[in-house]
Amino acid sequence: GDSVTQMEGPVTLSEEAFLTINCTYTATGYPSLFWYVQYPGEGLQLLLKATKADDKGSNKGFEATYRKETTSFHLEKGSVQVSDSAVYFCALSDLDNYGQNFVFGPGTRLSVLP
Amino acid sequence: DGGITQSPKYLFRKEGQNVTLSCEQNLNHDAMYWYRQDPGQGLRLIYYSQIVNDFQKGDIAEGYSVSREKKESFPLTVTSAQKNPTAFYLCASSMGGPIAASYNEQFFGPGTRLTVL
Repeated sequence: GDSVTQMEGPVTLSEEAFLTINCTYTATGYPSLFWYVQYPGEGLQLLLKATKADDKGSNKGFEATYRKETTSFHLEKGSVQVSDSAVYFCALSDLDNYGQNFVFGPGTRLSVLP
Repeated sequence: DGGITQSPKYLFRKEGQNVTLSCEQNLNHDAMYWYRQDPGQGLRLIYYSQIVNDFQKGDIAEGYSVSREKKESFPLTVTSAQKNPTAFYLCASSMGGPIAASYNEQFFGPGTRLTVL
């Protein structure tokens, strides 16, 4: 079945550092790819998405490019802030006989220190 | 404002009691989902529904039950058969239905934290 793998956390960075969180996937079809963010005690919020190869999703300074040849969707940000401290989930979505199917990675906790 | 509401935010229950978590959405979405999240862990799918009056078991359905009598509502009952129910429960929805597409994202509610005393 489909799966999503993310780099293990926690990731600890100083403010203004460069962020990369690796995400790779396996899928039988042609999935859409997502990054979600979860702040403490809250639900998940969509951060960005990409729906086809070479698409770049971007939002709030975060970017990720859908790389079909490497089955990857790495999240990057040029300069992190303390307010970016959260858990980040990579996810894919495709369609099966029953409907839309979502698969989430295990999440990567990011801590940004002032 | 369109969105998903979950109530209550915090819930306490005694061992052996059933408890029902509410999830309501006004996004006109066909598909709804329930996830369980344990501390420091990812999401595990409990049940999902792609259309009214139909639902499917997810990866960890044992000890849980759901109903989908209305499009906007998808309540989850945690039964006494669930051995370790203390967790954070998240409800989500997506467009779903006959026009479902892989690019439709999931929208999440704020979650309910259930603690068994």
